[in-house]
Amino acid sequence: ETGVTQTPRHLVMGMTNKKSLKCEQHLGHNAMYWYKQSAKKPLELMFVYNFKEQTENNSVPSRFSPECPNSSHLFLHLHTLQPEDSALYLCASSQGILTGEQYFGPGTRLTVT
Amino acid sequence: DAKTTQPPSMDCAEGRAANLPCNHSTISGNEYVYWYRQIHSQGPQYIIHGLKNNETNEMASLIITEDRKSSTLILPHATLRDTAVYYCIVRPMKTGANNLFFGTGTRLTVIP
Repeated sequence: ETGVTQTPRHLVMGMTNKKSLKCEQHLGHNAMYWYKQSAKKPLELMFVYNFKEQTENNSVPSRFSPECPNSSHLFLHLHTLQPEDSALYLCASSQGILTGEQYFGPGTRLTVT
Repeated sequence: DAKTTQPPSMDCAEGRAANLPCNHSTISGNEYVYWYRQIHSQGPQYIIHGLKNNETNEMASLIITEDRKSSTLILPHATLRDTAVYYCIVRPMKTGANNLFFGTGTRLTVIP
C-alpha cells in the first residue's frame, strides 16, 4: 500500500465512449502525475500538476483531458480513444516537483475496443 | 538528463545478495541516482537514491563509485518477492519539471 489509490483497476471501453480514471493520494503531497505504460515500452510521463496547477503536458493528444480539483485528487477524462491507447495508466504523487521520490498507484489497465 | 545503461536481465538465487549494476558515465555534478522497481502489473516503487555517498535503507544499499560514473544497487538477501524490473534513473538535483525517465531497466529473477 503506497498511499495512492486508483479506480477502476480495469476498464474496457469502446472508441466512442467517455470514461474517467480517478486517482487519490493520502500522503499530503502537492504534486501529482499521470504516466502511460504501453506493452514493451518505457513509462511515458503525460501530465504533471503542482498545487493543482498543470505544469507539464508532454504533447498528449486532446482525447486525454486531466483534471486536478485539489492536491489529493487527480482525474484523467477519456473520450474517443483509439485501440493504441490501450495501456496501463499510472498515477503518482510526490511532496513537490523538486523531489524525484514519487509514489505510484497500482494503475488502471485500459483496453480500448 | 544523463542516460543510464543497465543489463536487460539478471538471475539471483533466493537468499543471496542481488547486485544490480548501472552505468551513468555522462552524469553531471548536480544529478542524483535514483532506483525504482516495478513488480509485474503494479506501479513502480521507489527504492533509494543518492548523490555521491553510499546509502542504505531498509530495502537496499546503493553504492556509487567515486567518479560517479556507475552505481550498484544491492539487495542483501533476495527473496522471490524481489523479482521485478529495476530501473536506474539519474535526475538533476532541482528541476522545474519532475521528469523521471525510466528506460527499460533490468529484469531481476530470483530463483528458488
